[in-house]
Amino acid sequence: DAKTTQPPSMDCAEGRAANLPCNHSTISGNEYVYWYRQIHSQGPQYIIHGLKNNETNEMASLIITEDRKSSTLILPHATLRDTAVYYCIVRVATSTDKLIFGTGTRLQVFP
Amino acid sequence: DVKVTQSSRYLVKRTGEKVFLECVQDMDHENMFWYRQDPGLGLRLIYFSYDVKMKEKGDIPEGYSVSREKKERFSLILESASTNQTSMYLCASSSGQGNTGELFFGEGSRLTVL
Repeated sequence: DAKTTQPPSMDCAEGRAANLPCNHSTISGNEYVYWYRQIHSQGPQYIIHGLKNNETNEMASLIITEDRKSSTLILPHATLRDTAVYYCIVRVATSTDKLIFGTGTRLQVFP
Repeated sequence: DVKVTQSSRYLVKRTGEKVFLECVQDMDHENMFWYRQDPGLGLRLIYFSYDVKMKEKGDIPEGYSVSREKKERFSLILESASTNQTSMYLCASSSGQGNTGELFFGEGSRLTVL
């Protein structure tokens, strides 16, 4: 079973920040939080990951709470092309790099 | 550009047929994965492999087998296709170096079993 909980859907106006929450209350100390997204009819795409510090890259920012039980993915200026299903994943720390996907959040960016 | 290529985007097969889904990656990755994706169920792991000729069962291996004869190629086999195997199949790969490797996915193969 997926170890994360996400809202099934969210809306965001184009140009505004999209904040996607994720709960992972049973996360272990050596597990990372990963975010992927899947645009319709394509394979999932990696966005960002973190362990306990906040992270930022060219696509997004990841904010992880101090107790690591939840996180937020931030798309600072959402565009129509950001419409997708976003998956928050807690990664099992094994050498086989197994990821367990949940059902994700469907983000709709509107004009 | 890194690439994971799945042999067929769309397939239609009949019940009982043997089905091969091929996946090739050009990144020299050690790890390869097969997921299936169904509405409302998200992505579910079928099988994975972390080395040539090695394989491990995922969460839903029943009705499937895999083959990893070469590092770059990971095949998913449906010995006798059934209608409940109608799904989107996604192949992915990742580097085996450390625990922070990201997964690279192919475009998916949509299989319909009649």
